[in-house]
Amino acid sequence: DTGVSQDPRHKITKRGQNVTFRCDPISEHNRLYWYRQTLGQGPEFLTYFQNEAQLEKSRLLSDRFSAERPKGSFSTLEIQRTEQGDSAMYLCASSLGVGQPQHFGDGTRLSIL
Amino acid sequence: GESVGLHLPTLSVQEGDNSIINCAYSNSASDYFIWYKQESGKGPQFIIDIRSNMDKRQGQRVTVLLNKTVKHLSLQIAATQPGDSAVYFCAEGSNTGGFKTIFGAGTRLFVKA
Repeated sequence: DTGVSQDPRHKITKRGQNVTFRCDPISEHNRLYWYRQTLGQGPEFLTYFQNEAQLEKSRLLSDRFSAERPKGSFSTLEIQRTEQGDSAMYLCASSLGVGQPQHFGDGTRLSIL
Repeated sequence: GESVGLHLPTLSVQEGDNSIINCAYSNSASDYFIWYKQESGKGPQFIIDIRSNMDKRQGQRVTVLLNKTVKHLSLQIAATQPGDSAVYFCAEGSNTGGFKTIFGAGTRLFVKA
């Protein structure tokens, strides 16, 4: 299966710690998106990349959040000084280009103790 | 796995019947619409999409209808099967918004065998 891959699937950490998630998009997909989803809600857009360029960031993405896609392939999402409210599912998606369907990974479930 | 959409509207149908899931979108500038299916513990799965220059599009057992006048989208599933049980999200995007996807509130579909 060459779908979108996310690692780890689950992350449990103490409040105040830093965490980093990785996303490997579908090969040759130049657009990569990050979303956050809490129970009972649809995914909320966080940020997206066109190749290595980060083109848009949601106001949901506070200064504690940073995302990179250094070589235009895989991406990382880092959360510094985690807070209880950061507990959520973090989803990554990729698409072949503008206006093409986004294909999602199965997410990283973050739990803050 | 975890539950997606604990307090979402629920549609319950008998196996073999047709299902219709409705969605109202908010942005008049949206010109691309997508339906996703999400099962517990998994990321959203692309079902079908439609652009604003169309009002109907058919896939395998699924049909999407778009009414731009009243900003309404619907997903019809023919001969619903137990495997169709999931949470369904409509989503909208626009060329001016970089086609980031804005998800609506989901609907839980429960198929009775």
